[in-house]
Amino acid sequence: GQQVMQIPQYQHVQEGEDFTTYCNSSTTLSNIQWYKQRPGGHPVFLIQLVKSGEVKKQKRLTFQFGEAKKNSSLHITATQTTDVGTYFCAGRDYGGSQGNLIFGKGTKLSVKP
Amino acid sequence: DVKVTQSSRYLVKRTGEKVFLECVQDMDHENMFWYRQDPGLGLRLIYFSYDVKMKEKGDIPEGYSVSREKKERFSLILESASTNQTSMYLCASSSPSGGVSSTDTQYFGPGTRLTVL
Repeated sequence: GQQVMQIPQYQHVQEGEDFTTYCNSSTTLSNIQWYKQRPGGHPVFLIQLVKSGEVKKQKRLTFQFGEAKKNSSLHITATQTTDVGTYFCAGRDYGGSQGNLIFGKGTKLSVKP
Repeated sequence: DVKVTQSSRYLVKRTGEKVFLECVQDMDHENMFWYRQDPGLGLRLIYFSYDVKMKEKGDIPEGYSVSREKKERFSLILESASTNQTSMYLCASSSPSGGVSSTDTQYFGPGTRLTVL
């Protein structure tokens, strides 16, 4: 079945350093979504990418969707302690069940002040 | 404001007990999901439902069943709880996708941390 691989599993950075997490799918995706889960919280939707090669920005966060629509990345510039949490990508397969997203295992980000 | 609520934040049960986890959403969403989240394993889909009285197995349905008698409510049932079902359980809901460009964002509840002794 469809798999979404996400790396790295953990990332420890010094405040002010950049951070990137990568997501790769075994199949072509119709869209990809990113979620953030703060410690002790639940996943919260950040953004959706739909078009091949799409790039979207939210302040210090930059999201990219690959040309082949099989990979995506989230880049945070100059991390802050408020960025701490686990970031998940979630893809929807063209052939997948309606509304069903396949989640990556997440990248847990810790930021040292 | 979008809201998904779960019946308990913390639950402790004994092996062999029947356990009910309730989820309610107030967004009139057709789709509802149950996940479990374990360290290093991410979110794993247990069951989902597209409509009232409809259910589909996810990746790890064994040992679980679900019930959706009303649109806003989706229940997860552990028929006979076992220690390997100790986990964080997350419910989510979404509206049906109208096409590849529509946003089928999933809205999550706060989670229920279940411990089976």
